[in-house]
Amino acid sequence: QVTLRESGPALVKPTQTLTLTCAFSGFSLNTSGVCVNWIRQPPGKALEWLGRIDWDGDTYYKTSLKTRLTISKDTSKNQVVLTMTNMDPVDTATYYCARTTGVAVAGHWGNWLDPWGQGALVTVSS
Amino acid sequence: DIVMTQSPLSLPVTPGEPASISCRSSQSLLHTNGHNYLDWYVQRPGQSPQLLIYLGSNRASGVPDKFSGSGSGTDFTLKISRVEAEDVGVYYCIQAVQTPFTFGPGTKVDIK
Repeated sequence: QVTLRESGPALVKPTQTLTLTCAFSGFSLNTSGVCVNWIRQPPGKALEWLGRIDWDGDTYYKTSLKTRLTISKDTSKNQVVLTMTNMDPVDTATYYCARTTGVAVAGHWGNWLDPWGQGALVTVSS
Repeated sequence: DIVMTQSPLSLPVTPGEPASISCRSSQSLLHTNGHNYLDWYVQRPGQSPQLLIYLGSNRASGVPDKFSGSGSGTDFTLKISRVEAEDVGVYYCIQAVQTPFTFGPGTKVDIK
């Protein structure tokens, strides 16, 4: 059974750095095609893809946030870490991690996200 | 970055009736492998999003066949053949043909 679980501080102050951990089980991030994505959702608003880390260590980020985001992995611990610097109240959101399944489609990797973690609500407030 | 739009943004539906959601992208989502990299997710109240349809028209495991996806290029549709109370939620499309991936604004489906 594949599961992902986000953890980290529920409250951070403005200008601080947020560190969230996605602990996963049931798959390996050493497997070709497998990736872990981060997505967030401000209260009452739409989903927003933040970035992902691939099995080979490549990372990709949302354009407007790429200077503030770092995604890293610890394959031995089955964990992926999201770091976001200079937090602001507008970054208040539920943060999700989700797996890219690593299924090949006609010679290329599919990119759908399945499954997702339960989410972690992060509030930015002084 | 590719911009995704959805319509309608709110969709009240009578139980047993069909529903249809449109998703459009600012660039073609047709990959060089011949597949459209457009996926659909549903977020039911209080839950995490879950995969419904991948690559435009493929139902995810366990998704009932009342859900169907169609379209190609920049124009896609999600259809629910007969809406039931359990289908209430927000439906999102996402383009995954190039990073950064981008979601549509979501369509809220509820029961009349």
